[in-house]
Amino acid sequence: ELKVEQNPLFLSMQEGKNYTIYCNYSTTSDRLYWYRQDPGKSLESLFVLLSNGAVKQEGRLMASLDTKARLSTLHITAAVHDLSATYFCAVDMVGNQFYFGTGTSLTVIP
Amino acid sequence: EAGVAQSPRYKIIEKRQSVAFWCNPISGHATLYWYQQILGQGPKLLIQFQNNGVVDDSQLPKDRFSAERLKGVDSTLKIQPAKLEDSAVYLCASSSFMGVQNIQYFGAGTRLSVL
Repeated sequence: ELKVEQNPLFLSMQEGKNYTIYCNYSTTSDRLYWYRQDPGKSLESLFVLLSNGAVKQEGRLMASLDTKARLSTLHITAAVHDLSATYFCAVDMVGNQFYFGTGTSLTVIP
Repeated sequence: EAGVAQSPRYKIIEKRQSVAFWCNPISGHATLYWYQQILGQGPKLLIQFQNNGVVDDSQLPKDRFSAERLKGVDSTLKIQPAKLEDSAVYLCASSSFMGVQNIQYFGAGTRLSVL
């Protein structure tokens, strides 16, 4: 069974600081997605990473994918309060079946 | 473009009762997913449809859960009878596979509380 693990599970960081969220998965896949979920809301797509070495950036967030290491990272630069949310990675397997990670709850403190 | 619609938004039932959730995907999306999201966890895939056929239902507790997607559009997910551990948010998502990219669009979810 595919396992998708994220760390940390909880992250509290000050505004203006940088940090990285890690997503490890247990089997071969070259398609990985990042989603954001605000409290009580549904999931919103952030990034789609489709090949080894892929890097995508949007504002203060940058995602990358290393398929050989089965690792994706979500890097936060100069965090602001609006980034407070739960972030999920999801691995796309054969048959377009998604397996979601455990989630990282991010709180940005002023 | 209208998003994924789900109803109801909230449902409270007692254990052993039945409940049904409805989902209307984005128009033209062939693939529809139902997920269960327990508080503090990531969504877990319950069932995936491609048009009106089931692609994967390996994690669906078939003794109590059932789902259908008649005519390849709307879908319903039913739980009968409900257990306490079924308390969760049930998310519906749809996607249209574009080349190698498969972005899923999620509905707002139905929050189920089983008492």
